[in-house]
Amino acid sequence: GAVVSQHPSWVICKSGTSVKIECRSLDFQATTMFWYRQFPKQSLMLMATSNEGSKATYEQGVEKDKFLINHASLTLSTLTVTSAHPEDSSFYICSVQGEDTEAFFGQGTRLTVV
Amino acid sequence: AQSVTQPDIHITVSEGASLELRCNYSYGATPYLFWYVQSPGQGLQLLLKYFSGDTLVQGIKGFEAEFKRSQSSFNLRKPSVHWSDAAEYFCAVAHNTNAGKSTFGDGTTLTVKP
Repeated sequence: GAVVSQHPSWVICKSGTSVKIECRSLDFQATTMFWYRQFPKQSLMLMATSNEGSKATYEQGVEKDKFLINHASLTLSTLTVTSAHPEDSSFYICSVQGEDTEAFFGQGTRLTVV
Repeated sequence: AQSVTQPDIHITVSEGASLELRCNYSYGATPYLFWYVQSPGQGLQLLLKYFSGDTLVQGIKGFEAEFKRSQSSFNLRKPSVHWSDAAEYFCAVAHNTNAGKSTFGDGTTLTVKP
């Protein structure tokens, strides 16, 4: 199965700054990746679908100008949280759709905005 | 719209006892169902999945789940729980076979007593 790596695993940033999170598919070429957000003690909520070489598709209620997604290659998608605020603090997880109807998840990135 | 309900927020069982985690789904077509496990601060690991065929599916770590269309349920079971099974468990439903784009339940926290 695909191995998905996220970087960084955790990050602390000041309010108003931007943070970039990387999601890499290490052994699988992924035309599509997905970004989820998970608040403490809550479930995963799909934020957007990242499409290689084209614009991401955002779920309703997700600000596309705040959460910038770039999928420039078949192995890398990035999520940039722009002008981060404390309410953006969360656990961000990416996933890759595998060939055999299975999704592979990254280990997640814990973002804390202070 | 599809939805997933996990009625039990928290379950505590003794080590060696049997376990059943409930999951109910709402989906207009044939559901594609998944169970994932998440350890603290980690990504998700797939336990098992159901697309079609035998309604009793076997997964990793001794888990199994039974799909009951009449009850719109996909409950997860394990005959004998180990202390290492303590974690958060998520049931998810996907649109067709695109497991990367899933709707998750709120999760059930499993605590295992010695």
